[in-house]
Amino acid sequence: AQKITQTQPGMFVQEKEAVTLDCTYDTSDQSYGLFWYKQPSSGEMIFLIYQGSYDEQNATEGRYSLNFQKARKSANLVISASQLGDSAMYFCAMSSDSNYQLIWGAGTKLIIKP
Amino acid sequence: EAGVAQSPRYKIIEKRQSVAFWCNPISGHATLYWYQQILGQGPKLLIQFQNNGVVDDSQLPKDRFSAERLKGVDSTLKIQPAKLEDSAVYLCASSLTAGASYEQYFGPGTRLTVT
Repeated sequence: AQKITQTQPGMFVQEKEAVTLDCTYDTSDQSYGLFWYKQPSSGEMIFLIYQGSYDEQNATEGRYSLNFQKARKSANLVISASQLGDSAMYFCAMSSDSNYQLIWGAGTKLIIKP
Repeated sequence: EAGVAQSPRYKIIEKRQSVAFWCNPISGHATLYWYQQILGQGPKLLIQFQNNGVVDDSQLPKDRFSAERLKGVDSTLKIQPAKLEDSAVYLCASSLTAGASYEQYFGPGTRLTVT
């Protein structure tokens, strides 16, 4: 069965510091995709970044990068130079070619301190 | 490009009443999803449409929930009768098509409170 694990229920980070949010996954599929979403207190789920299982390079989108370690089944999100507006819930999710459903982690609540 | 639209944003009803939510996906997106998100948890997929056909409704409580996407564009989700445990945020999402590499784009959600 496919599973996403986010072990950090909450994190406090000082503004302008970099932050790493952990995500490990479990799947027996060879072809799959990993996603990170941000959910502010307003409730909307915002797509941040995608990594395909066959992508050799780590995905980057502006201040977001995905540290993909396939052998360890790890897909950590790195936010560089954190801002107050980064305070939100962050969800890691996965889908695969055998199951297009998004499997979600429990989320990490990130709070940026001024 | 317009995003996923949902209405209403908030709804308060009493148990045993009925309620309906509306979703208009991003233009050209064939796949539409309805999720239920209980406070403090990740979203739970209720139903997935590909165009106007149902792909997966295995987690939809069919005795009280129904959904349709008649013309393969917008969709409605209905609850009848509502229970207290239905209090949640209902998220609609769309993607270009179904597949492991297609990101889903979400609407603002409808926050339902059942009293």
